[in-house]
Amino acid sequence: GAVVSQHPSWVICKSGTSVKIECRSLDFQATTMFWYRQFPKQSLMLMATSNEGSKATYEQGVEKDKFLINHASLTLSTLTVTSAHPEDSSFYICSAREGSLNTQYFGPGTRLTVL
Amino acid sequence: GQQLNQSPQSMFIQEGEDVSMNCTSSSIFNTWLWYKQDPGEGPVLLIALYKAGELTSNGRLTAQFGITRKDSFLNISASIPSDVGIYFCAGRGIQGAQKLVFGQGTRLTINP
Repeated sequence: GAVVSQHPSWVICKSGTSVKIECRSLDFQATTMFWYRQFPKQSLMLMATSNEGSKATYEQGVEKDKFLINHASLTLSTLTVTSAHPEDSSFYICSAREGSLNTQYFGPGTRLTVL
Repeated sequence: GQQLNQSPQSMFIQEGEDVSMNCTSSSIFNTWLWYKQDPGEGPVLLIALYKAGELTSNGRLTAQFGITRKDSFLNISASIPSDVGIYFCAGRGIQGAQKLVFGQGTRLTINP
């Protein structure tokens, strides 16, 4: 199947700093990318949907100024957690949808720990 | 947000047994996807279903897109230890809808 990479796989940062997570589709063009957050023993919670070249659409309750999403190309999307706080600690997973099919592939996730 | 009703929430079985889990929805879906997630990793796509009634296999896994388009099941035959993990169903609704709706997950534990 198609491959989606995420970098970094884990990050530890101090409270108040910003963290950028990259998501890349390696062997296909992703017309749409998604960012999810997952708490322990829970399902995936969609944070935002981004289409290449346009502004991301955020889910209700997700602060767009705190979670900045950039989808600059058909193979790269970034999520920046600004002014991170301990409550932002979580597992963040990106996903990419292949344009020709109704199929969605996930990255390996990024574990964010804010001290 | 909207969720699919996935059951069972957890299963404890013996190695070699068959496994069955399902998802139901109150609304119609055009796509059903089944994923497996191991601890600390992202979900991995197992099977994708695009047509009502479609029955698709991937090795020991078989999934079906319900005729009513409101349900799907996943079966695993002759379970092995590496089948342990959390299985999620996901569906996409009306034509052109972008968002996937996820089930709550089924946690599978296998006793050797």
